[in-house]
Amino acid sequence: SQTIHQWPATLVQPVGSPLSLECTVEGTSNPNLYWYRQAAGRGLQLLFYSVGIGQISSEVPQNLSASRPQDRQFILSSKKLLLSDSGFYLCAWSVSLAGVGGSDTQYFGPGTRLTVL
Amino acid sequence: GNSVTQMEGPVTLSEEAFLTINCTYTATGYPSLFWYVQYPGEGLQLLLKATKADDKGSNKGFEATYRKETTSFHLEKGSVQVSDSAVYFCARGIYNQGGKLIFGQGTELSVKP
Repeated sequence: SQTIHQWPATLVQPVGSPLSLECTVEGTSNPNLYWYRQAAGRGLQLLFYSVGIGQISSEVPQNLSASRPQDRQFILSSKKLLLSDSGFYLCAWSVSLAGVGGSDTQYFGPGTRLTVL
Repeated sequence: GNSVTQMEGPVTLSEEAFLTINCTYTATGYPSLFWYVQYPGEGLQLLLKATKADDKGSNKGFEATYRKETTSFHLEKGSVQVSDSAVYFCARGIYNQGGKLIFGQGTELSVKP
């Protein structure tokens, strides 16, 4: 069966410090991968998605970046955190429906709670 | 454009009450539709989904029917429990964009004993 891991679970960082959040998926190959942020309140904001190694699409211009160094590893980074980067960061994966173009279920990780002080 | 609109929350119900959370979407074509649930401090879990018109998704007593004519996918449960207290998200798929989903803003449900 497939599982998705995120770490760390919680993180408190000062303004201006760097950030690295990691997400890994087990039990599947060539998944689509996603990073979301959930700020105060409940809404989900898609930050990045990736359909393959080294392929990153950015949804929202900001001081965050994403990388996919391996097939099942997705990393969210920042060189200098802002107060506004605080939130709950969620990673998700879905089956790559190559040649079909449709959307399949996304499966979410447990999330990372980031507090920037 | 592509969007998903959910009813405003929070919704507060007594245990064993009937639940409806409205969800409508805009779309070209026939996107897949989903309901996710988020318990406090956790990630989202798939609750149910439907992939074509008139399909009914169901799970854990929750149901939703894909209504093409009204572009709706309302979530219902006949008798809610305190353990159903959570935030519920409606979502629709987008064709040819890496499996992306468009989410509604979420509806918080609180069930009182």
